[in-house]
Amino acid sequence: GQQVMQIPQYQHVQEGEDFTTYCNSSTTLSNIQWYKQRPGGHPVFLIQLVKSGEVKKQKRLTFQFGEAKKNSSLHITATQTTDVGTYFCAGKGGSYIPTFGRGTSLIVHP
Amino acid sequence: DSGVTQTPKHLITATGQRVTLRCSPRSGDLSVYWYQQSLDQGLQFLIQYYNGEERAKGNILERFSAQQFPDLHSELNLSSLELGDSALYFCASSVGPQGADTQYFGPGTRLTVL
Repeated sequence: GQQVMQIPQYQHVQEGEDFTTYCNSSTTLSNIQWYKQRPGGHPVFLIQLVKSGEVKKQKRLTFQFGEAKKNSSLHITATQTTDVGTYFCAGKGGSYIPTFGRGTSLIVHP
Repeated sequence: DSGVTQTPKHLITATGQRVTLRCSPRSGDLSVYWYQQSLDQGLQFLIQYYNGEERAKGNILERFSAQQFPDLHSELNLSSLELGDSALYFCASSVGPQGADTQYFGPGTRLTVL
């Protein structure tokens, strides 16, 4: 079945440093979604990418979808303590339901 | 606040017991999804219902069952509980039947099996 791998599992950064998490699928995706889960909270939808090579920005967050539609990345510029949480990608291939990656936990040190 | 409600927030029970988790979707959403989140397994999709009918099934154990009622709320029943069933159980809802729709997650139910 479809597998979605996400790396790294954990990332420690100093406040102000950049952060990137990568998502790779074993199969071509029709779309990919990104979610953020704050500590003790629930996943919250951030964005959906559909087109090959698509790049979308939300303030300091930049999301990319690979040309082959098998990988994606989320980059945060100049991290802040409010960015702390776990970032999940969820890729939809041939099945009805997106497959979630294991998530990358971002820890920001002030 | 996503608009999705889940009860109870916490549940502590013993092995072998049965529990029911409840979810009310956002107003207007017809799909309900159930997920299990544990430290070592990440977010695992269990099952989806759309407008009362089972739509998709994931890694749901035979000891677990779910249903969606005419008022669109959903219940997840977990029986013959084992220690390994301890986890966070999330419900999510979306407008349509497609998993590609944006999913809005509830606050979760933390189940502890002793």
